[in-house]
Formats: sequence, structure tokens, C-alpha cells
Amino acid sequence: DARVTQTPRHKVTEMGQEVTMRCQPILGHNTVFWYRQTMMQGLELLAYFRNRAPLDDSGMPKDRFSAEMPDATLATLKIQPSEPRDSAVYFCASGSRIPYGYTFGSGTRLTVV
Amino acid sequence: EDQVTQSPEALRLQEGESSSLNCSYTVSGLRGLFWYRQDPGKGPEFLFTLYSAGEEKEKERLKATLTKKESFLHITAPKPEDSATYLCAVQARGGGSNYKLTFGKGTLLTVNP
Repeated sequence: DARVTQTPRHKVTEMGQEVTMRCQPILGHNTVFWYRQTMMQGLELLAYFRNRAPLDDSGMPKDRFSAEMPDATLATLKIQPSEPRDSAVYFCASGSRIPYGYTFGSGTRLTVV
Repeated sequence: EDQVTQSPEALRLQEGESSSLNCSYTVSGLRGLFWYRQDPGKGPEFLFTLYSAGEEKEKERLKATLTKKESFLHITAPKPEDSATYLCAVQARGGGSNYKLTFGKGTLLTVNP
């Protein structure tokens, strides 16, 4: 089965450090989402791309978060500088046809100490 | 703004005890309503897409239905392996750039043997 691959799976970092999370969407999928999941807020949309163009990043703190899709096989989410409140699980998802939904990766669990 | 509310927050059932989960939504024109299952430590797994009121989809012991304001996930004779968090999401019909997926906070289902 095709999978969305996220790296790293776990990341522990100190406050103030830069964090980069990577996502390899399923080949042929033209829509890529970044979500953050916490117990309190559930799944929050951070940003998404369609055909590699950023369509909406209104869910991201602009001063510290950035999302890019340098090519069709890679999406990145960067946090600089990281803060303890950024601790969460970050998911990437990709899809192209609504009947098949969107496929999620296994997530990156980020802990900022 | 699109909104999704799921109830109950948590549900505990005995094996074989059928029940339903609710997803109420507000969206300016529905492109699709999605049901996902999430196991601990994993990404959400796609179950169904529903498009219009009156539509039904089935998969094993699960059946999803849709009205103009809500969707139900019916679980018939559940087994312990059905224990998971079930998430509902909506995607609005709109301009060419609107593919945002808005999630509810989920229902944590526990099925006891």
C-alpha cells in the first residue's frame, strides 16, 4: 500500500532551536496538508498546498512557522525558534480524489523542553 | 467558518452492544464529509466519504449516514478491535482554492470484551 512518509518520528529539542519536519506525499497526490494534534485542540490545520502552491497557511504562527513544498516529493514544516507550547504531534496528509479521502502519515511527535 | 462538533466525547460499550456516534456540521456548501479512525500513536485512517443527504456507506460493522446537518456512524455488534478514536471532517464546496479539511475533536470509543 502507498504511504505518506514523515521524518523524524520523534524529536526532542530545546527551546529556541530550529526544528524541521519532512513529509513525502504519495506519488501522484496533488494536495498536501500539515496538521497539528494536541489533546486540547484536536487536529488543527496549519497549512496546505495544491499542485505545490501554498493555498492557506492562516493556521500557522507566521513569525515562527514556515511551510514549503520544494518539489512534488517533499513538503517541509519548519519552526524557528521553537517554544514549549509547540509540543504536539504534527501530521502530514496527501490526496487527490475525494472518494479516496486523504492519507495521513504516522506523524512527528515534537517535544520542546 | 466551517464547524464540526462530535458527540459524545467518549463512549464505552460492551462487545456486541450497538450504538451510534454523531457528527454535527456547519459548512457553506458541502463538498464531502469524511470519517476517519485513529488508533493510539498512529495517524488517522480513512474510512468513508459522504457527499449528499441520504447517502449511506458501509464497511464491516460500520455504517455512515448523512443528513443536511449531521452524520452518524453506526456501529453494529462492535468488537474490542473497534476501540479507537473516530474523527469526522468536512470539506466545503467553494472557490477553486478551497480544499481545507476541518476536523471535529473526535469520539473515543472503547469496546469491552
